Amino acid sequence: KAGVTQTPRYLIKTRGQQVTLSCSPISGHRSVSWYQQTPGQGLQFLFEYFSETQRNKGNFPGRFSGRQFSNSRSEMNVSTLELGDSALYLCASSVRGDTGELFFGEGSRLTVL
Amino acid sequence: AQKVTQAQTEISVVEKEDVTLDCVYETRDTTYYLFWYKQPPSGELVFLIRRNSFDEQNEISGRYSWNFQKSTSSFNFTITASQVVDSAVYFCALSSNSGYALNFGKGTSLLVTP
Repeated sequence: KAGVTQTPRYLIKTRGQQVTLSCSPISGHRSVSWYQQTPGQGLQFLFEYFSETQRNKGNFPGRFSGRQFSNSRSEMNVSTLELGDSALYLCASSVRGDTGELFFGEGSRLTVL
Repeated sequence: AQKVTQAQTEISVVEKEDVTLDCVYETRDTTYYLFWYKQPPSGELVFLIRRNSFDEQNEISGRYSWNFQKSTSSFNFTITASQVVDSAVYFCALSSNSGYALNFGKGTSLLVTP
C-alpha cells in the first residue's frame, strides 16, 4: 500500500515568490491535513480537509491556503514568501480525520532566501 | 487553550538502557485524545499510540509502554531495553474531541548509542 506522497521534496524560493506543495494521500483516505515544522515553533497545524471541505484551520496568516480535490489529493499554497516560511511542510492523511491516527509523508522542505 | 510540554529536549542513553520520555498536557476539554509519534531522520512522523481521556489503562506494546495519569496530566512513554533503531525525535500530541488538529509538544530527541 503506497504511503503519503509529497512533492516536491525540496525547493528553494526567494522572498516574495509563491509556492505550491502537493500531497497525495493513501488510497481510501479522505482526510488530509498539513503541518509546518520549524526548529523554533515545532510542529504547527495549518489546516485539514475532508471531502474537499476545510474543516479546521490553524493560526496562520491568509498567505497560507490550501485545497483538496475530488480524488482527495491536496495542495497548499504560500504566497508572498517570507524568510520565516522556511520549514518542513508535512502532509498527513487518514480515513476520516477524527481519530488522530495520521499517516505522514516525508515532507516538503522549503527554503526561502 | 491546549498545550503539550515535553521538558526533555534531548536524551542520550546507551543501548539496553530503559528510558522514559515525559509528556505533560493542559486542556479544558473533558474529552480529548493523547498521542505519541516518532520522527526518524527521514522526516515522516510515525504513529505509535492513541489514548482517549476516559481510558487511563496503561498500555504495553513490545518494548514500548505508556503511562497515562489524568491526576497529573501526564502521558509518559517508556522504552525498555533501548536499541539504536529507537534513535529519533518523539512527539507527544493532544487533540480535542473533534480530533481534526493535533497540538504537538516540542519533541524529545532520543539518541541511543551502542
